[in-house]
Amino acid sequence: GAVVSQHPSWVICKSGTSVKIECRSLDFQATTMFWYRQFPKQSLMLMATSNEGSKATYEQGVEKDKFLINHASLTLSTLTVTSAHPEDSSFYICSAPTGTSGSSRDTQYFGPGTRLTVL
Amino acid sequence: AQSVTQPDIHITVSEGASLELRCNYSYGATPYLFWYVQSPGQGLQLLLKYFSGDTLVQGIKGFEAEFKRSQSSFNLRKPSVHWSDAAEYFCAVGAGGNKLVFGAGTILRVKS
Repeated sequence: GAVVSQHPSWVICKSGTSVKIECRSLDFQATTMFWYRQFPKQSLMLMATSNEGSKATYEQGVEKDKFLINHASLTLSTLTVTSAHPEDSSFYICSAPTGTSGSSRDTQYFGPGTRLTVL
Repeated sequence: AQSVTQPDIHITVSEGASLELRCNYSYGATPYLFWYVQSPGQGLQLLLKYFSGDTLVQGIKGFEAEFKRSQSSFNLRKPSVHWSDAAEYFCAVGAGGNKLVFGAGTILRVKS
């Protein structure tokens, strides 16, 4: 099946610094990618939809100035956590759909996640 | 709005025993339903999905799920659990476009 990678797999940073997380579709192109946040023992919460060539669409309650998303190419989306604070510590997961229906019929492939710890 | 409830946070079963993980959804129309498995260090893997048609769907690794509209449920089953099935399982519903809404997950422990 299709493969989605994330880099780094884990990162520790100091409070106030910015951290960039990359999401790549390795063997397919994705005009849309999704970023999720997962708290311990909780579900995945959709943060935003990354759109190649246009601005990301953020879910209600997600600060777009804190979580900057750039969909630089058809295989790469980046999430930058700006001025990170301890409450931003979490597990961040990206996904990318194959297929062109633009609906949930398109199979989603998930990256392995990035564990962010802000000290 | 769409929502998914997985009532069981943890489930422990003996190896070789049968398994059923519960999932209830809230959605106005016919839902697109999914089960994913998450293992440490790996991305979520799709086990099976339901769009329409036969309400009993077969997936990978010997899993199956049954869509019951009257109960708004999409429970995951496996007749005989293997130790390698220990993982966290997520039920999800399509939320328009490519968006998915996930349940809170069920952690499966398998005892030998």
